Amino acid sequence: DQQVKQNSPSLSVQEGRISILNCDYTNSMFDYFLWYKKYPAEGPTFLISISSIKDKNEDGRFTVFLNKSAKHLSLHIVPSQPGDSAVYFCAASGGGGSQGNLIFGKGTKLSVKP
Amino acid sequence: DAMVIQNPRYQVTQFGKPVTLSCSQTLNHNVMYWYQQKSSQAPKLLFHYYDKDFNNEADTPDNFQSRRPNTSFCFLDIRSPGLGDAAMYLCATSSRGAGYRNTQYFGPGTRLTVL
Repeated sequence: DQQVKQNSPSLSVQEGRISILNCDYTNSMFDYFLWYKKYPAEGPTFLISISSIKDKNEDGRFTVFLNKSAKHLSLHIVPSQPGDSAVYFCAASGGGGSQGNLIFGKGTKLSVKP
Repeated sequence: DAMVIQNPRYQVTQFGKPVTLSCSQTLNHNVMYWYQQKSSQAPKLLFHYYDKDFNNEADTPDNFQSRRPNTSFCFLDIRSPGLGDAAMYLCATSSRGAGYRNTQYFGPGTRLTVL
């Protein structure tokens, strides 16, 4: 059973528009959430994170929103650029005994078209 | 620049022939992780070291072993690779502080092919 779900395998957006990537989780004990970006043949690169005490965190063009009641988070990229084309992974951690280990979603492939 | 380095980037081995993947870090992080990632799947944690303490995931096959001789280096040994072990292997590090809200930093990965 997947504790972190990214239900959209792919997303295509026009350059300059907003990209919204979604992530759902099932474990109410998760208290820290992260987004990673991954280019082909490279390791995931940390983008942005949010703790459960917040509902929004912003870093430049990237904003993460957390809705704890819905167990949902989203990553907004504004404006989208062709260099943002990559696979985006959502990850979560928390809960007793978790030791801070991350649980990843399967990823969403974002394509930003010029 | 501080970083996580994995060698080699691409590894080809034969069915059943032992192989070792290496990871080094200049971040001086106390935790090192090994993940396996297959195409279109989420990275799957195999095990991690918290300093010298080894923590194995319950579903990691015995075929996979790890060594961490010092803070900077960690090795993944696959004793008898099968065709199903072909994957990208990712090493990550973190500096685990209070509350375990740690961000993990990944290396570029090693793509393993089993013939």
